[in-house]
Amino acid sequence: DVVMTQTPVSLSVAIGQPASISCKSSQSLVGTSGKTYLNWLLQRPGQSPKRLIYLVSKLDSGIPDRFSGSGSETDFTLKISRVEADDLGVYYCLQGTHFPNTFGAGTKLELK
Amino acid sequence: QVQLKESGPGLVQPSQTLSLTCTVSGFSLTSYSVHWVRQHSGKSLEWMGRMWSDGDTSYNSAFTSRLSISRDTSKSQVFLKMNSLQTEDTGTYYCARKNFDYWGQGVMVTVSS
Repeated sequence: DVVMTQTPVSLSVAIGQPASISCKSSQSLVGTSGKTYLNWLLQRPGQSPKRLIYLVSKLDSGIPDRFSGSGSETDFTLKISRVEADDLGVYYCLQGTHFPNTFGAGTKLELK
Repeated sequence: QVQLKESGPGLVQPSQTLSLTCTVSGFSLTSYSVHWVRQHSGKSLEWMGRMWSDGDTSYNSAFTSRLSISRDTSKSQVFLKMNSLQTEDTGTYYCARKNFDYWGQGVMVTVSS
């Protein structure tokens, strides 16, 4: 199975400051179609996960452009340009290129 | 709008079978696949299996021998059955649409006597 390694495990950020989360995969996530099936999810406390970004960098509908995704092959990054209170929770990366789908262990974003 | 909702018993005895239902609305099961994902308390997410839009199924090998996913398209429902439950199977079970763009609220399952 593809191992997804997220860093850091936790992140304490002040409102208005940037945040960055890394996700590294044990294999290239470029699929046979040429697409890279790397998603970012946010799980707010007490809620189910919500997809923020798909195909590395495409924002889901309603997701503010403070969020951005980048990367290729095995190295991916989620950035929040200016953290807001609503951003706290656990962020997961998820790969859908290789069977089975696998998730990162999560990065907990806390407010400083 | 697109919705998924899990339902099932909150408590299951060890060695028994877990039966969960994912009821969907706003889309057709013949057009979109549905995943089952498990989350141990405070832990990361684990992909369990998938009901494809054509009725085929895929399973995580970690569960293959005891997991079964089926559906009733007329009721817009996807079912999960997992036997030989152990305490380690305690957690929250989610269903999610095809590319994980929509998730259910989750159903918490405790395996205990």
